[in-house]
Amino acid sequence: GQSLEQPSEVTAVEGAIVQINCTYQTSGFYGLSWYQQHDGGAPTFLSYNALDGLEETGRFSSFLSRSDSYGYLLLQELQMKDSASYFCAVRDEENRDDKIIFGKGTRLHILP
Amino acid sequence: ETGVTQSPTHLIKTRGQQVTLRCSSQSGHNTVSWYQQALGQGPQFIFQYYREEENGRGNFPPRFSGLQFPNYSSELNVNALELDDSALYLCASSHMGQGSLSTFINQYFGPGTRLLVL
Repeated sequence: GQSLEQPSEVTAVEGAIVQINCTYQTSGFYGLSWYQQHDGGAPTFLSYNALDGLEETGRFSSFLSRSDSYGYLLLQELQMKDSASYFCAVRDEENRDDKIIFGKGTRLHILP
Repeated sequence: ETGVTQSPTHLIKTRGQQVTLRCSSQSGHNTVSWYQQALGQGPQFIFQYYREEENGRGNFPPRFSGLQFPNYSSELNVNALELDDSALYLCASSHMGQGSLSTFINQYFGPGTRLLVL
């Protein structure tokens, strides 16, 4: 079966750095994506890792270790607008049927 | 904001009824995926359409069905509504190029349709 595990909530202070972890279990593996979703809004794509290592996009970075079935999203110089839910997602293939699996999400609270 | 639109924004139905939700994909995109998102949960993949055919399906019963039209817009139909079908329904468009992987990497989500089943 497929599953993704991520913490349900994380709290950090404005200006600080926070890391949101994601572990996955899939039949196949085609990379790990991260999405951000503000309350009442739609998910927006943040990053994608297909190979091991760190991908950096501005204040956001994403890391993948395929041998550990683990990835994380790193947010630097936190701003109040970063308060949102963050989802990791994988593409899996079961019985030749493509599926896109999202984690349950990590709610990030930022304190002033 | 993305160029993906959904209608209606909100809908109230009663148990046993049928509902049709609509999605217009972003210009240049040829693939549409539908998701169900319950409050406080991650999006659950319902199915994906590419070139008017279903191209992948999640663990949803057959009463969840869909269509994709030549202009790449799409419909989600749900028959025999149940109380547990109450959720936010999201569609996401993307472009499938050389490999289907591209549809997963960068999906553009619409604002969603919030369905309440009484």
